Amino acid sequence: SAVISQKPSRDICQRGTSLTIQCQVDSQVTMMFWYRQQPGQSLTLIATANQGSEATYESGFVIDKFPISRPNLTFSTLTVSNMSPEDSSIYLCSAADRVDEKLFFGSGTQLSVL
Amino acid sequence: GESVGLHLPTLSVQEGDNSIINCAYSNSASDYFIWYKQESGKGPQFIIDIRSNMDKRQGQRVTVLLNKTVKHLSLQIAATQPGDSAVYFCAENPGGGADGLTFGKGTHLIIQP
Repeated sequence: SAVISQKPSRDICQRGTSLTIQCQVDSQVTMMFWYRQQPGQSLTLIATANQGSEATYESGFVIDKFPISRPNLTFSTLTVSNMSPEDSSIYLCSAADRVDEKLFFGSGTQLSVL
Repeated sequence: GESVGLHLPTLSVQEGDNSIINCAYSNSASDYFIWYKQESGKGPQFIIDIRSNMDKRQGQRVTVLLNKTVKHLSLQIAATQPGDSAVYFCAENPGGGADGLTFGKGTHLIIQP
């Protein structure tokens, strides 16, 4: 199973600023995804991070707000841009060795926007 | 997947009893299902999975049952322990794997001493 490290683990940010979250996997993986988990709720898929090309976003999420990079098979970043209090949430990176395999998750980044 | 609710349902069981957590999924095309356990401050942890060509799969103290006719998934935990206290999510794979998983609402399992 892949071990996923995320940083920062938590941050408190000011409205209007941006935060970049890093995700490092300890082995090469085919699939990487970013999820959001709002307080007391389930996980919602933000986007699929594609290696070497633009990420694929789910309905309700756009690249200008959540730019994603994936320069290689073990690393991805998610930026939360122009933050507002509504962006306060846990952001989770996940990865799978292959398509149609179970996802492993990092511990998440708890973001609070003031 | 299910729509996201404002509050997670809660299931309270006595330590040592068996618990059953239920989940309804929405996409008939989903062919892969997973149960995750999430403890406070941590990311979801894989528990057990099942593919649509099976209706039952057992792990250590856990059993997953799949009823495709009514699109229902359940997780049975035998002889619950304090460490089983967590939020449990079911997840389905509606896009054949390439599109990520869709998560259910989650159930907060509380183990009473």
